[in-house]
Amino acid sequence: DTEVTQTPKHLVMGMTNKKSLKCEQHMGHRAMYWYKQKAKKPPELMFVYSYEKLSINESVPSRFSPECPNSSLLNLHLHALQPEDSALYLCASSQDYASGGETQYFGPGTRLLVL
Amino acid sequence: GENVGLHLPTLSVQEGDNSIINCAYSNSASDYFIWYKQESGKGPQFIIDIRSNMDKRQGQRVTVLLNKTVKHLSLQIAATQPGDSAVYFCAEIPRHLTGGGNKLTFGTGTQLKVEL
Repeated sequence: DTEVTQTPKHLVMGMTNKKSLKCEQHMGHRAMYWYKQKAKKPPELMFVYSYEKLSINESVPSRFSPECPNSSLLNLHLHALQPEDSALYLCASSQDYASGGETQYFGPGTRLLVL
Repeated sequence: GENVGLHLPTLSVQEGDNSIINCAYSNSASDYFIWYKQESGKGPQFIIDIRSNMDKRQGQRVTVLLNKTVKHLSLQIAATQPGDSAVYFCAEIPRHLTGGGNKLTFGTGTQLKVEL
């Protein structure tokens, strides 16, 4: 099973709202990722969690706040977003390099629209 | 020049023909490469991977070729079907992170259109 699930599938929010995106995997992967994807573009890395610790923040604005409550879950908390933050937000997971499992498996994404 | 607009490179093929999608990668230190397929409204789906110590790897109807000399990767799809219509991204791993995880670098993507 190589399934990563994401909720919600679609989200519309105003610029003053607070919302959260959720991601879950049960493959025993110890690395989890958040990506942002604009139309006709490749995914752009936002955050990497490894063994539930944040290992990379790609200079993402603080209005995006990641959280990894346990090894299966990854959240992305959203606050005071801008219309240009509208995009497809993708979650991915992978084993660690030492285990030889580098392939990142992606979820279906959350389509976010900020009004 | 560089394509920074809204138009993905597009490859149109007839159903039943073979497709070849090309990708130039940037980092000669990359040791692992992946092809993803992304259908409209969905997340990227793993198709096939290859390590830098290999030149060729075959899957079901797909073959990946790696030419390290010119830093070129290609994906061949045999007997292309309408369900193959999607955007295809190559990705390389130039950096493994201490403690696990990795940092993928994606190519710009190619839109494959299958004509009936």
